Amino acid sequence: AQSVTQPDIHITVSEGASLELRCNYSYGATPYLFWYVQSPGQGLQLLLKYFSGDTLVQGIKGFEAEFKRSQSSFNLRKPSVHWSDAAEYFCAVGGGRDDKIIFGKGTRLHILP
Amino acid sequence: DAGITQSPRHKVTETGTPVTLRCHQTENHRYMYWYRQDPGHGLRLIHYSYGVKDTDKGEVSDGYSVSRSKTEDFLLTLESATSSQTSVYFCAISESTGAGNTIYFGEGSWLTVV
Repeated sequence: AQSVTQPDIHITVSEGASLELRCNYSYGATPYLFWYVQSPGQGLQLLLKYFSGDTLVQGIKGFEAEFKRSQSSFNLRKPSVHWSDAAEYFCAVGGGRDDKIIFGKGTRLHILP
Repeated sequence: DAGITQSPRHKVTETGTPVTLRCHQTENHRYMYWYRQDPGHGLRLIHYSYGVKDTDKGEVSDGYSVSRSKTEDFLLTLESATSSQTSVYFCAISESTGAGNTIYFGEGSWLTVV
């Protein structure tokens, strides 16, 4: 069965520090992988996606993610975080014929000044 | 902007009353979804539609029904609202390209059942 695991419920980093949010998935075929960000009281915004090709994917707001098939992972990274990056981040996997996408439970990012 | 509008954006209702949430899209996407978001559970799929009058259940469909009589509108109905249905509800569409399909979300509908 499809599943997505985000091991960290909360992460706190200092402004200017690097960031890595972890995502592991279980999927029976080649996955489509996504990262979304949600600010308080807002909807979910697509940060980046991986369908095929280069396993290092660039997204908006300076984020990138790397698909590692051997580790079933799709971790999100940013070299230097800004206070405005404080939000909740969701990893998702999909790609089946019926088009359903499954989401992880989210990681809330806190930024220290 | 994926052209998704949800209404109402906020609603307070009493236990046992029916509630309908509306999702409207302007870009003729075939697939539409309703998710609910709750602390500790992330996003869970309630129902989805793959065309006019074509719908199917998601993982948390009990207590909910949907209808899609037009491509642009996807309605979610709580026949008799319960406190456990207090949640944030997100409508989404799937945009298909040659490479794959991407989900885009509406702004959400905050529902409180008292």
